[in-house]
Amino acid sequence: AQTVTQSQPEMSVQEAETVTLSCTYDTSENNYYLFWYKQPPSRQMILVIRQEAYKQQNATENRFSVNFQKAAKSFSLKISDSQLGDTAMYFCASLGNYQLIWGAGTKLIIKP
Amino acid sequence: EADIYQTPRYLVIGTGKKITLECSQTMGHDKMYWYQQDPGMELHLIHYSYGVNSTEKGDLSSESTVSRIRTEHFPLTLESARPSHTSQYLCASSQRGWDEQYFGPGTRLTVT
Repeated sequence: AQTVTQSQPEMSVQEAETVTLSCTYDTSENNYYLFWYKQPPSRQMILVIRQEAYKQQNATENRFSVNFQKAAKSFSLKISDSQLGDTAMYFCASLGNYQLIWGAGTKLIIKP
Repeated sequence: EADIYQTPRYLVIGTGKKITLECSQTMGHDKMYWYQQDPGMELHLIHYSYGVNSTEKGDLSSESTVSRIRTEHFPLTLESARPSHTSQYLCASSQRGWDEQYFGPGTRLTVT
């Protein structure tokens, strides 16, 4: 069975700092996709970044980037120049067999 | 914000009542999903659909049922609500199985 593990239940950093959220996964699929989603307090879940496993290049979206280590089955999210609006629950998810498997989430608090 | 809507946003009902949670999307997506999420916890897939007249159960056993008569509409029904059904229910849609999922705002259900 596929699993996704986020080992950091909660993190907090000062505004403008860089923070890295960890995620490891286990899958038997050869071709799969990895996602980071953000769920702000009382707001809708939105996609932060997406990585296709067959692509070696790490995905980036503005201040958000990933460190994808396929052999280690690791998929961490780096947020640079953190902003107050980054405060949210962050979920790592693995897509295989057309179903998303979700991690337990990391609560990220950005302090002013 | 994504064009996916859920009603009601909040619902408090008594044990034994029948309820239907509504979900609609205007993006023409074939794939739709229902997730159950306890506060601050991971999402669990309870139902999904790959198109009209297609519905499948997810990994989490659920006493709910779904229907997909129209592409844009994917309601979830609980025939007899119980306190164990108290949770948040999130609806999502995607164009293809490996694409980004767009989420609705959720329905927070409390069964007394």
